Amino acid sequence: EAGVTQFPSHSVIEKGQTVTLRCDPISGHDNLYWYRRVMGKEIKFLLHFVKESKQDESGMPNNRFLAERTGGTYSTLKVQPAELEDSGVYFCASSPSGGGFEQYFGPGTRLTVT
Amino acid sequence: SQQGEEDPQALSIQEGENATMNCSYKTSINNLQWYRQNSGRGLVHLILIRSNEREKHSGRLRVTLDTSKKSSSLLITASRAADTASYFCATELLGNQFYFGTGTSLTVIP
Repeated sequence: EAGVTQFPSHSVIEKGQTVTLRCDPISGHDNLYWYRRVMGKEIKFLLHFVKESKQDESGMPNNRFLAERTGGTYSTLKVQPAELEDSGVYFCASSPSGGGFEQYFGPGTRLTVT
Repeated sequence: SQQGEEDPQALSIQEGENATMNCSYKTSINNLQWYRQNSGRGLVHLILIRSNEREKHSGRLRVTLDTSKKSSSLLITASRAADTASYFCATELLGNQFYFGTGTSLTVIP
């Protein structure tokens, strides 16, 4: 069974540019989560999809971040325009429907904004 | 404020020794999970302990949960060099939100 995949693995962009991160969850997993880890700090929750619906987006830092999950399959996270403080590793995770399950994480996308 | 905090931030031990990491949290939880992250890789789930459980074992791992103190510990027995990684606790809250701690960086010296 394929795991959670993320693309790209690394992205280096300049301040003010746009970047789109993609996450492909494990097939059949209704729950999809985005997290971000800034260097040396905790992993912070960004948002949670259940199928195509945003269940909880309380962790999204501001309106420069836009997440979508059209069709309830893969998800994208767009940052526009990117700022220096957006640098970090963005993780995606998926889990089966309902709560109380482990999350399966992707390898992360390392975003560097210069 | 952070939902989960881990202690210590960094731990260095000799191969064969036991490693203990602690996690404290602030609000009521459904369950608490421990994850490992090897350098440059995604997080890997280690063990899940539900709020009505007090202790759980998986191989060389032992996790305890004290809901009255809002704390958990992860014990790795007979550590190996391959256990070198960062370890995170994650709490699933009653509304199914997940919060991770800051992580403990474990180095096992061969």
